[in-house]
Amino acid sequence: DAKTTQPTSMDCAEGRAANLPCNHSTISGNEYVYWYRQIHSQGPQYIIHGLKNNETNEMASLIITEDRKSSTLILPHATLRDTAVYYCIVRGLSSNDYKLSFGAGTTVTVRA
Amino acid sequence: EAQVTQNPRYLITVTGKKLTVTCSQNMNHEYMSWYRQDPGLGLRQIYYSMNVEVTDKGDVPEGYKVSRKEKRNFPLILESPSPNQTSLYFCASSPIPGNTIYFGEGSWLTVV
Repeated sequence: DAKTTQPTSMDCAEGRAANLPCNHSTISGNEYVYWYRQIHSQGPQYIIHGLKNNETNEMASLIITEDRKSSTLILPHATLRDTAVYYCIVRGLSSNDYKLSFGAGTTVTVRA
Repeated sequence: EAQVTQNPRYLITVTGKKLTVTCSQNMNHEYMSWYRQDPGLGLRQIYYSMNVEVTDKGDVPEGYKVSRKEKRNFPLILESPSPNQTSLYFCASSPIPGNTIYFGEGSWLTVV
């Protein structure tokens, strides 16, 4: 019952921007798009989230289409340490929406 | 430093021998949760708690118990572990309301 669709894997050259797409065509008006990543078997790490406006923080940028049916996570200058599985997750912020439904994610490999 | 701490990080045990995996957070978060991660199945929620003395089942609660007697602690109890509970376990916490869910570093559990 995953609400998002992501490519299985992608490669990126070190120092270049990595653009990770995500489709969430059934997203509802009060649901946010979240991105997490998991490096090896460490605990998932929060990256960024957004509702409808584009967002940027020290780790990444999030671009959400106007119809909110898809989004792109941008790692502006990928490093080898960005190699990880990236998860796009849709969730609301009501008290019942704290469970994160992880799909398979995108395995990103950054190559020197 | 804000963190979610799990113990033990690695454990090999035998079928039927009760064990407890502890989880503690120092951020005064209301919400805490347990996930397990298995190859091909991703992360699945076991139990969660919205506050002290309030716990509820996640997607895969069978064979597990939890308690929330204090805000900072949320132990996961395996009363009679079986080999199918061999997995990587993550504890997570979040403020309510809150945007960011923080994860622990994981506990590798092997039941033989």
